[in-house]
Amino acid sequence: GIQVEQSPPDLILQEGANSTLRCNFSDSVNNLQWFHQNPWGQLINLFYIPSGTKQNGRLSATTVATERYSLLYISSSQTTDSGVYFCAVAVGGTASKLTFGTGTRLQVTL
Amino acid sequence: DTGVSQDPRHKITKRGQNVTFRCDPISEHNRLYWYRQTLGQGPEFLTYFQNEAQLEKSRLLSDRFSAERPKGSFSTLEIQRTEQGDSAMYLCASSSSGPNYGYTFGSGTRLTVV
Repeated sequence: GIQVEQSPPDLILQEGANSTLRCNFSDSVNNLQWFHQNPWGQLINLFYIPSGTKQNGRLSATTVATERYSLLYISSSQTTDSGVYFCAVAVGGTASKLTFGTGTRLQVTL
Repeated sequence: DTGVSQDPRHKITKRGQNVTFRCDPISEHNRLYWYRQTLGQGPEFLTYFQNEAQLEKSRLLSDRFSAERPKGSFSTLEIQRTEQGDSAMYLCASSSSGPNYGYTFGSGTRLTVV
């Protein structure tokens, strides 16, 4: 099956700092989503981005499908950004079956 | 729209007992998914429905697991003869089958088998 690797595994930032999270995947995908899992366990969909660039407030994401990677940018981080960020992908005819990466655990401190 | 609802939020059961979880998706979404997440890991796919049809099941889903989605609305996930290894968070999500396949997840049901 497809492999999804995320880096870095852990990240500690001071409030106000910027960060870039990376997701590499081993095959062509037709579905890529970024999620934030907050400290209470709730998974929030951030972006559906199989290709191209999207922005939503302080967050933006870019997927370069031909090179099999996606980036999530967090600017001016806040303590509420803490949690685990997951990249998830789906391939071919299984466009609805997402395979999740192992996540990046982010801690934003004051 | 109240999002995706899951019930119960927590379940503690003795090994060997049967348990059933319920998921109510967003009403406009025709796709419904079940995932399982253990501590420190990303969610793992279990099964998904389009309307009432169960279209795919993971090999993770042993014969003790069964899922239904009668009439294409809510779904239930049943685990028979629970084992300690079944302890996990069980997550339900829904999506449309339109151009944006973005998932909306529920808050999950945390199962502890003792």
